[in-house]
Amino acid sequence: SQQGEEDPQALSIQEGENATMNCSYKTSINNLQWYRQNSGRGLVHLILIRSNEREKHSGRLRVTLDTSKKSSSLLITASRAADTASYFCATDAWGNNRLAFGKGNQVVVIP
Amino acid sequence: EAGVTQFPSHSVIEKGQTVTLRCDPISGHDNLYWYRRVMGKEIKFLLHFVKESKQDESGMPNNRFLAERTGGTYSTLKVQPAELEDSGVYFCASSQGWVIAGTSGLRLSYEQYFGPGTRLTVT
Repeated sequence: SQQGEEDPQALSIQEGENATMNCSYKTSINNLQWYRQNSGRGLVHLILIRSNEREKHSGRLRVTLDTSKKSSSLLITASRAADTASYFCATDAWGNNRLAFGKGNQVVVIP
Repeated sequence: EAGVTQFPSHSVIEKGQTVTLRCDPISGHDNLYWYRRVMGKEIKFLLHFVKESKQDESGMPNNRFLAERTGGTYSTLKVQPAELEDSGVYFCASSQGWVIAGTSGLRLSYEQYFGPGTRLTVT
């Protein structure tokens, strides 16, 4: 089965800096979605990128998708303290809607 | 517009007891999903409803778990009897569904919106 997997890193950055995190998966996908989870809260949907798209922007977020390498990256520009959270990528495959999640990346933005 | 809501937010029960979790999806979303995250592991898919029908229940761990969605609105997930390894956070999500895009044949899924989760602790 497919699986989204983030690079197992915890990022600690200064406010105003950019944060980049990566996600790789193993099988062909239909879509890839990024989610944010603040401590003890639910998952907040950030962005969805389809398998025929290469890059997508939403506010301070930029997501890229490289299907040849089976990988995606999430860039947060001009980070803020409120961006401190865990970030997850999740993929779905042809024929079903179930999401396969990675373990998540912890990002800490220091004011 | 209200988001996905879940009840309760936290439940503590003893091994062998029964617990029922509830999820109210976003109004108008035919698709409803259950996921869970047990300690130290990634979030795992449990099942998917389309309206009141179970579309995919491949992630249900065993027959102690029963999900229903009568009338195609809210859903319940019952665990009976609960075991220690059932402890974790149970998430519900909903989405509008998907369409086939023109000549490309690309299946356009809609975003899945998650609720805040129910933290289940089995002691």
